[in-house]
Amino acid sequence: GQQVMQIPQYQHVQEGEDFTTYCNSSTTLSNIQWYKQRPGGHPVFLIQLVKSGEVKKQKRLTFQFGEAKKNSSLHITATQTTDVGTYFCGTGGSNYKLTFGKGTLLTVNP
Amino acid sequence: DVKVTQSSRYLVKRTGEKVFLECVQDMDHENMFWYRQDPGLGLRLIYFSYDVKMKEKGDIPEGYSVSREKKERFSLILESASTNQTSMYLCASRKYSYEQYFGPGTRLTVT
Repeated sequence: GQQVMQIPQYQHVQEGEDFTTYCNSSTTLSNIQWYKQRPGGHPVFLIQLVKSGEVKKQKRLTFQFGEAKKNSSLHITATQTTDVGTYFCGTGGSNYKLTFGKGTLLTVNP
Repeated sequence: DVKVTQSSRYLVKRTGEKVFLECVQDMDHENMFWYRQDPGLGLRLIYFSYDVKMKEKGDIPEGYSVSREKKERFSLILESASTNQTSMYLCASRKYSYEQYFGPGTRLTVT
């Protein structure tokens, strides 16, 4: 099945700095989904990308799907303490099963 | 508002006990999933179900079984709980290839 590697595993930033997490695969992905899990919470869906080269924005968050559909990134501009959490990427195949990366834990120093 | 609920937030069981974790979704989703989440290991799929009475093994099915008798309910069963099954268990549901909705999780401790 499809597998995704997510880097970095941890990222600590000062409030106001930018943050990026990457999701990479050795095979072409049909789609990529991003989720955020706040400390003590459960993963919550952020966005889905399906097209080669697709870029989507949600306020300070920018999501990209690579041209070859083998990688994706989530970039947060000017982080805030509310951005703290673990960000997961996931990809699904034809059987509706999502395979997740191990996540990137973001901590923000106020 | 869509909702996935799990029967317990916290559960403490003894080694060898049979444990039932229940999950209910109110969105009429075909697909339901059980994951366990451990620090540094991310979300690992235990079992999933794409229809009533249908199930497929995920990546780590050993020591677990599942039951789906009704569309809205998906149960995870630990036949004989062991200490290495201490973990956070997350249920999720999904319609086709759309976003996945997670329940609040059950933190299971096996002593």
